[in-house]
Amino acid sequence: DGGITQSPKYLFRKEGQNVTLSCEQNLNHDAMYWYRQDPGQGLRLIYYSQIVNDFQKGDIAEGYSVSREKKESFPLTVTSAQKNPTAFYLCASIGDRGFNEQFFGPGTRLTVL
Amino acid sequence: AQSVTQLGSHVSVSEGALVLLRCNYSSSVPPYLFWYVQYPNQGLQLLLKYTSAATLVKGINGFEAEFKKSETSFHLTKPSAHMSDAAEYFCAVRSGGYNKLIFGAGTRLAVHP
Repeated sequence: DGGITQSPKYLFRKEGQNVTLSCEQNLNHDAMYWYRQDPGQGLRLIYYSQIVNDFQKGDIAEGYSVSREKKESFPLTVTSAQKNPTAFYLCASIGDRGFNEQFFGPGTRLTVL
Repeated sequence: AQSVTQLGSHVSVSEGALVLLRCNYSSSVPPYLFWYVQYPNQGLQLLLKYTSAATLVKGINGFEAEFKKSETSFHLTKPSAHMSDAAEYFCAVRSGGYNKLIFGAGTRLAVHP
């Protein structure tokens, strides 16, 4: 079945360490997105990518970095520069036909100790 | 710029009662609107979407929403709540190009016996 996978489901890291969250899709979608979710704040866009080797900053990109070397993969690195990284991170993708909805992965909960 | 406001961060209903979750949007162009549902520690699942066709949109699990341009609203309803409807619900509007979504803060629905 086609879909989006995110790993790991739960991630614990010490303060000051960089950590990379995985996002893979087999939907043949061109565009991919990373969101951060905090209680009571909805989802906020971190980065997005429309095609391979191209990506743009979203609303809260500071302290994060991404790469898009393959169409199927869009990993997110949470760097030590991110002041408050503890959150639920969601990856999404969308096909390029009309105004379709975004499909979401199951999320990664990152806790910084 | 587009924005979304969800009135009521928590809504509680009895099983079998009407569910009404409110969403108002702001958009300088004809909007594309979405309702998503999120169960604990999971990704988002699309309930329904409005893309300028019929103003009354039917979705999954018995939910529907009506687009009212004069009121800039896209409220979500379900005639009879079920215990399994307990979740968090997000309204979103498509923002500009690249299929970016702007999300509301979410409404947590509780269903009690």
